Amino acid sequence: EVQLVESGGAVVQPGGSLRLSCAASGFKFDDYGMHWVRQRPGKGLEWVSFICWIGTTIFYTDSVKGRFTVSRDNSKNSLYLQMNNLGPEDTAFYYCAKTIHLSTIFNAVDSWGQGTLVTVSS
Amino acid sequence: DFVMTQSPDSLAVSLGERATINCKSSQSVLYSGNNKNLLAWYQQKPGQPPKLLFYWASTRESGVPDRFSGSGSGTDFTLTINSLQAEDVAVYYCQQYYKSPFTFGPGTKLEIK
Repeated sequence: EVQLVESGGAVVQPGGSLRLSCAASGFKFDDYGMHWVRQRPGKGLEWVSFICWIGTTIFYTDSVKGRFTVSRDNSKNSLYLQMNNLGPEDTAFYYCAKTIHLSTIFNAVDSWGQGTLVTVSS
Repeated sequence: DFVMTQSPDSLAVSLGERATINCKSSQSVLYSGNNKNLLAWYQQKPGQPPKLLFYWASTRESGVPDRFSGSGSGTDFTLTINSLQAEDVAVYYCQQYYKSPFTFGPGTKLEIK
C-alpha cells in the first residue's frame, strides 16, 4: 500500500523559512515523479512543484520560483520542499503526491499524503 | 499558462439523478504523441486529500465506481456522475498535466438536493 507522510509544517513568521518532508513507502520511490500541491484553508488546489524520479527535471509554479526548492533523496525514500522568504500567501496545507505512471513526467497523480499545515503569521 | 475553468461553481442534485461538471482549458491538452488528453479529474471530500478519478480524461482509476465517467477532448471536458449517491458529495477538480504549471480548475462543489 502506498503511503505518503508529510511533516515539517509549522507556524512561521513572514520572511522565515521552513523545510517540509514527505516519507514515502509501499512503492519503488525512485521510479516515480513527485509533486507538491497546496491548498489554502477552504480554498482550491494549487500545484506547486514537480521533481522527476532522478531529480533532473524540476518545475515550479511562478509564485514560488526563487523561494522554494524541491529535492529528493531516493536512498531515504523522501521528498523535500525547502521554503524561504515565506509570506502570508504561502499559508496552506501542503500535500506531497505520487505520479501514476513510472518514469513519466507528464502524469496524473494517484496517491496523496494527508498534508501538513504551514501557517505564515506574525 | 494554461487556465482551467469549471462550471458550475456548485450544483445540487437529487439522489439517483445525474450530475454533470464541465471543465475547459484555455489551450488544447491533446498530446499528439499518443493522442491522449493530459487531463485528470479528482474528488475531494471534506477533511481528506484529493482522490484520482480519471486520467487521460476518460480512463477510470481502479476502484472508481462505473457511475462516474469522464469525456471530452482538446479543450472541453465533462465529468458525469450517474445515479448520484450520498457519498458523492465532494468538491471535484480537473487538472491539466500537459505543461507546467500543471494547473487545477477552481473546483465544483457537489451537494445533495
